[in-house]
Amino acid sequence: GAGVSQSPSNKVTEKGKDVELRCDPISGHTALYWYRQRLGQGLEFLIYFQGNSAPDKSGLPSDRFSAERTGESVSTLTIQRTQQEDSAVYLCASSPDRYQETQYFGPGTRLLVL
Amino acid sequence: SQKIEQNSEALNIQEGKTATLTCNYTNYSPAYLQWYRQDPGRGPVFLLLIRENEKEKRKERLKVTFDTTLKQSLFHITASQPADSATYLCAPTDSWGKLQFGAGTQVVVTP
Repeated sequence: GAGVSQSPSNKVTEKGKDVELRCDPISGHTALYWYRQRLGQGLEFLIYFQGNSAPDKSGLPSDRFSAERTGESVSTLTIQRTQQEDSAVYLCASSPDRYQETQYFGPGTRLLVL
Repeated sequence: SQKIEQNSEALNIQEGKTATLTCNYTNYSPAYLQWYRQDPGRGPVFLLLIRENEKEKRKERLKVTFDTTLKQSLFHITASQPADSATYLCAPTDSWGKLQFGAGTQVVVTP
């Protein structure tokens, strides 16, 4: 069956531009997570959605970062006025619900800010 | 603050031997602990989960232990194969299902 998909797979942008990253979770999964992974580092939690509400946004690093989710489907992570320090792989994961412990990850979007 | 430590140096091991990876955590009381595998350019893939009241869990050639007193988990790959070469991530998880990931340990299995 289809797993978690993310688009684009790679994104190169100039400093100061806005970018949108998309995540399509596994159908029927109510919980959706965004993480950031800098080169050679672990995953940093950004935000968690349960349905289309975001009860935990504690990992968003600044107000330049925002995310939304349509129903129990697609999510978009938006980074405004990108900075070079935003360069990283952005990973999305979904699970049937928050208390279903295993998370299923997408392949990630590699963002490079020049 | 909460901290998760995994061996930062790559673990080089000969095919057929057992690889042992360590995950230590501080200022944290996870309800359970997960291990994931990550290949270059891919997202992490779930391997095993062990709960705080379990001492050991096995799945095929994988074994995980969890010592809540030492605040440590050990991950073993027995009879290692070159296909086991990857980065292995430890992820202590709280009772609300929130994971925190370690930076991972790279394993390289040579024939």
